Amino acid sequence: GENVEQHPSTLSVQEGDSAVIKCTYSDSASNYFPWYKQELGKRPQLIIDIRSNVGEKKDQRIAVTLNKTAKHFSLHITETQPEDSAVYFCAASRIVNDYKLSFGAGTTVTVRA
Amino acid sequence: DSGVTQTPKHLITATGQRVTLRCSPRSGDLSVYWYQQSLDQGLQFLIQYYNGEERAKGNILERFSAQQFPDLHSELNLSSLELGDSALYFCASSVDSSLGEAFFGQGTRLTVV
Repeated sequence: GENVEQHPSTLSVQEGDSAVIKCTYSDSASNYFPWYKQELGKRPQLIIDIRSNVGEKKDQRIAVTLNKTAKHFSLHITETQPEDSAVYFCAASRIVNDYKLSFGAGTTVTVRA
Repeated sequence: DSGVTQTPKHLITATGQRVTLRCSPRSGDLSVYWYQQSLDQGLQFLIQYYNGEERAKGNILERFSAQQFPDLHSELNLSSLELGDSALYFCASSVDSSLGEAFFGQGTRLTVV
């Protein structure tokens, strides 16, 4: 099955700086890569996703890049703000009959004011 | 509010007991997924149902079982509970098994004492 590895496990950045989280996956057939944000005590929520026919996607201060050859994808948060502090999970799946999201272990991001 | 409802929110039970967690997906969603989130293990995929049928299985213990009913709500049954089963159990739903975004419920926090 799919195995998703996520790094780093914790990340502390100064407000206004950028944060980068990297994930690798094992199943070359995976073609959907979402990122979820989980604030303390709350449910995971989708913040951005990318499909394998796209190399990069941007939504305001967040962007995701995908390198299918190397089987890795990354989340970039620019101009970080205190409300960006949360746990971020990457995930990978094949959007076919056996669709299931395999998650990375999570990255705890702390934005220092 | 994601539209996914999980009950109960909290559950405290003794080792060896059996509990049932309930999930009502978003209106119109056919797929239901169950995830376990322990403190040190991130989000672990347990099982997926699509329109009443089991579609994908993850690292679900034999002591655990699930089903999806004709009205599309789902139940996760945990039996012979152990201390290590204490975790946050999330249910998520999506429109169908080929659509990426999964919407998470608030979770059920299970504490086994």
